[in-house]
Amino acid sequence: EPEVTQTPSHQVTQMGQEVILRCVPISNHLYFYWYRQILGQKVEFLVSFYNNEISEKSEIFDDQFSVERPDGSNFTLKIRSTKLEDSAMYFCASRTRGASSYNEQFFGPGTRLTVL
Amino acid sequence: ILNVEQSPQSLHVQEGDSTNFTCSFPSSNFYALHWYRWETAKSPEALFVMTLNGDEKKKGRISATLNTKEGYSYLYIKGSQPEDSATYLCAFAGNQFYFGTGTSLTVIP
Repeated sequence: EPEVTQTPSHQVTQMGQEVILRCVPISNHLYFYWYRQILGQKVEFLVSFYNNEISEKSEIFDDQFSVERPDGSNFTLKIRSTKLEDSAMYFCASRTRGASSYNEQFFGPGTRLTVL
Repeated sequence: ILNVEQSPQSLHVQEGDSTNFTCSFPSSNFYALHWYRWETAKSPEALFVMTLNGDEKKKGRISATLNTKEGYSYLYIKGSQPEDSATYLCAFAGNQFYFGTGTSLTVIP
C-alpha cells in the first residue's frame, strides 16, 4: 500500500543552523501539508501546498520557513535559522484532489527535530 | 484559533473492556471531522471521516458517532485488545486541520 515517507527520522542541529526536512508524498496526490507537534502539545498546521505554490499557511509559518517541491516527488520543509522552540515532531501529509475538508490526509511517520 | 478538545487525555482499560472517548469542536461552520489512530513511531492512520450530523461509522470493533449541532463526536472501541493501544486523534477540518490533543489508550492484557 502506498505511503508517505519522511527522512530523516531524527535530526539534531545547533541553534541558528539551517535544516531541511524531506518528505515523499504518495505519488498521485496533489495536495501537500506540513504539521508539527511540540512535545505535550497539539498537532499544529504549518502550511499547505498545491500546484507548486503555498495555498494556506499558519501564523507559525514565518519567514524562517519555506517549502519546495524541487523534483516532482520530494516535498521539503526548510527552516533557515533554527531556534530552540523549533524542536518538535514534523509531519508531512498528502491527499488526492477534491474538497479539503472531506478527503483524508495521509501522514508520514514524522521527523523529530531537536535544536540544541 | 479554533479549539478542538479531546477527553480523557489518557485511558487505561483491561483487555475485553469496551471504552469510548470524546472529541469536542465548534458547532458552527462545520465541514468534516476526521479520526486518526496513531501508534508510537508510526504514521497516524485515518479511521473515519464524519460529515453529516447523526453519522455513525464502523470499522471492525471501532465505531464513531457525530453530533454537529452540539459539537461532539464519540469514538467507541468494543472489546478492547492490546493492539488497540494507541493515541486517537480527532481533527476538525476547515481550510486546514485543527487537531485535538489526542486520547492515549493503553489496553492491559
